[in-house]
Amino acid sequence: KQEVTQIPAALSVPEGENLVLNCSFTDSAIYNLQWFRQDPGKGLTSLLLIQSSQREQTSGRLNASLDKSSGRSTLYIAASQPGDSATYLCAARFGNEKLTFGTGTRLTIIP
Amino acid sequence: DAGVIQSPRHEVTEMGQEVTLRCKPISGHNSLFWYRQTMMRGLELLIYFNNNVPIDDSGMPEDRFSAKMPNASFSTLKIQPSEPRDSAVYFCASSRLGRNEKLFFGSGTQLSVL
Repeated sequence: KQEVTQIPAALSVPEGENLVLNCSFTDSAIYNLQWFRQDPGKGLTSLLLIQSSQREQTSGRLNASLDKSSGRSTLYIAASQPGDSATYLCAARFGNEKLTFGTGTRLTIIP
Repeated sequence: DAGVIQSPRHEVTEMGQEVTLRCKPISGHNSLFWYRQTMMRGLELLIYFNNNVPIDDSGMPEDRFSAKMPNASFSTLKIQPSEPRDSAVYFCASSRLGRNEKLFFGSGTQLSVL
């Protein structure tokens, strides 16, 4: 069964620190991986999409990496800000159009 | 671009009633997805359409659930009859056709079945 796991479920970090969120998946035959952000009571916003042929993608203070051989992706957030507080979800596409989502990491940036 | 538009934003109904959720995808997007989110099960894909045609409805929990996409700009998810365990946030999402296209979500419909 193709699964996506995110650990920890929650993370608190002081403002200004760099941090890494983790995502692991069970099938190395991944087509791409997306990172999303979800604010309370809101829908999901796509942050970055990494294709299987890519190693990483960057957008502003965000950098996402993909290692198919180890079944891992990370989302690096530099110089964290209180506005970064949200739930971050990763989702893997295993070769069809369907995305399989992780359960998310709830991030709190402490001012 | 207005994004994916869902209505209603909140729905409270009594067990046994019919519920219809609505979605307008982003113009030009050919794929439309219906998801359900709960604390216990996270995000679950219910059904998705490509070019208005249902491709995979294996996530639809029961025959009480049905979805339609009569045209490229409108889709509905219907629950009849509704049950308390259907209470969840229902999201609609759309994307261009293709595996490397980003997915765009609506704000969701918070459904409470009493």
